[in-house]
Amino acid sequence: GDSVTQMEGPVTLSEEAFLTINCTYTATGYPSLFWYVQYPGEGLQLLLKATKADDKGSNKGFEATYRKETTSFHLEKGSVQVSDSAVYFCALESGGSYIPTFGRGTSLIVHP
Amino acid sequence: DTAVSQTPKYLVTQMGNDKSIKCEQNLGHDTMYWYKQDSKKFLKIMFSYNNKELIINETVPNRFSPKSPDKAHLNLHINSLELGDSAVYFCASRITLGPAGELFFGEGSRLTVL
Repeated sequence: GDSVTQMEGPVTLSEEAFLTINCTYTATGYPSLFWYVQYPGEGLQLLLKATKADDKGSNKGFEATYRKETTSFHLEKGSVQVSDSAVYFCALESGGSYIPTFGRGTSLIVHP
Repeated sequence: DTAVSQTPKYLVTQMGNDKSIKCEQNLGHDTMYWYKQDSKKFLKIMFSYNNKELIINETVPNRFSPKSPDKAHLNLHINSLELGDSAVYFCASRITLGPAGELFFGEGSRLTVL
């Protein structure tokens, strides 16, 4: 079945550091890929998505590129801020399933 | 105006009790979901409804019974609560069943079973 593997957190960085959160997936066919973010005490919200190979999703300085050859969708940001502290979830949706499958979430803590 | 709202936000109860969590969305979406988030933040699908009809029922004990009186509401009733039911339950909605549409989540309902 479909699955998403994320690096285990927490990831702890200083402000303005470079961020990478790894995500790899297993799926049949060509899934759509997502990153969602959960700020403390809130529900998840969509950060970015990519629906086909080599697509790059981007939003709020975050980027992720759909790599079919390595089945990966790593999240990156060039300079993190304290306000980026949150839990980040990688997710996929296989064609025809209509049910997003989420990874276990990676906690990011950014210190001033 | 909250797009997806859940009540209650916090629920503390004893083992063996029955409880309900309500979810309402004012986005006009056709599809709604219940997800369970455990203490390690792992998010797992429980149910999916499309236009009031059950689409997906993952391997969930039959003590959990979802009900959708109309497409704006998806409630979750849990019978005979167990310690392992303690979690945060998230309701979510999407414009339509698929594909690849954005999910809109509620703030979650934290259930603690003592």
